[in-house]
Amino acid sequence: QVQLQQPGAELVKPGASVRLSCKTSGYTFTSYWMHWVKLRPGQGFEWIGEINPSNGGTNYNEKFRRKATLTVDKSSSTAYMQLSSLTSEDSAVYYCTMRGTAEGFDYWGQGTTLTVSS
Amino acid sequence: DVLMIQIPLSLPVSLGDQASISCRSSQSIVHSNGNTYLEWYLQKPGQSPKLLIYKVSNRFSGVPDRFSGSGSGTDFTLKISRVEAEDLGVYYCFQGSHVPWTFGGGTKLEIK
Repeated sequence: QVQLQQPGAELVKPGASVRLSCKTSGYTFTSYWMHWVKLRPGQGFEWIGEINPSNGGTNYNEKFRRKATLTVDKSSSTAYMQLSSLTSEDSAVYYCTMRGTAEGFDYWGQGTTLTVSS
Repeated sequence: DVLMIQIPLSLPVSLGDQASISCRSSQSIVHSNGNTYLEWYLQKPGQSPKLLIYKVSNRFSGVPDRFSGSGSGTDFTLKISRVEAEDLGVYYCFQGSHVPWTFGGGTKLEIK
């Protein structure tokens, strides 16, 4: 079955960068675009962007263009999102998700809780 | 950006009641290909969101038929015909027609 596996938590210091991972299994990795979504309590969900695992093509929410960089490693069927120059505003849960066979986000990772704190 | 406004923020219901959630977009979310990519998701505490409805009114696989979606243009509604305990959580509408894709702020369905 399709699985998107994300680490449960990351703790990083302000000003640092972090690379979040999303390891996939159960389907052909290059078949579907991978999306990343941010959830902050009281702020709701924000769509960060998407990446085509087949060729690395990306589309970003302009708000996150300087903050996030999406990449993939086809050899390990893993998607990554690097977040740079971290501040407390980046503390949130980050989900990887994809639009598989349904025309909606039908598969989700469990989310990584990122805490930015000194 | 397309703003998605959900009403109400909180919806107290009794089990067996009908529930209705409204989602209004700040502009038409009809895509240039003619489709309307309006989706509904349910997030329960400690879980990832789950897809309920896609393209306004299509139930995702395994979603009970007590869930129905309707609407067009800028006004959309999710109805739950007879609320069950497993339906409690936060419901989000989402538009995937115009970049950046955007979510509504959420409606918390809770027991009265």
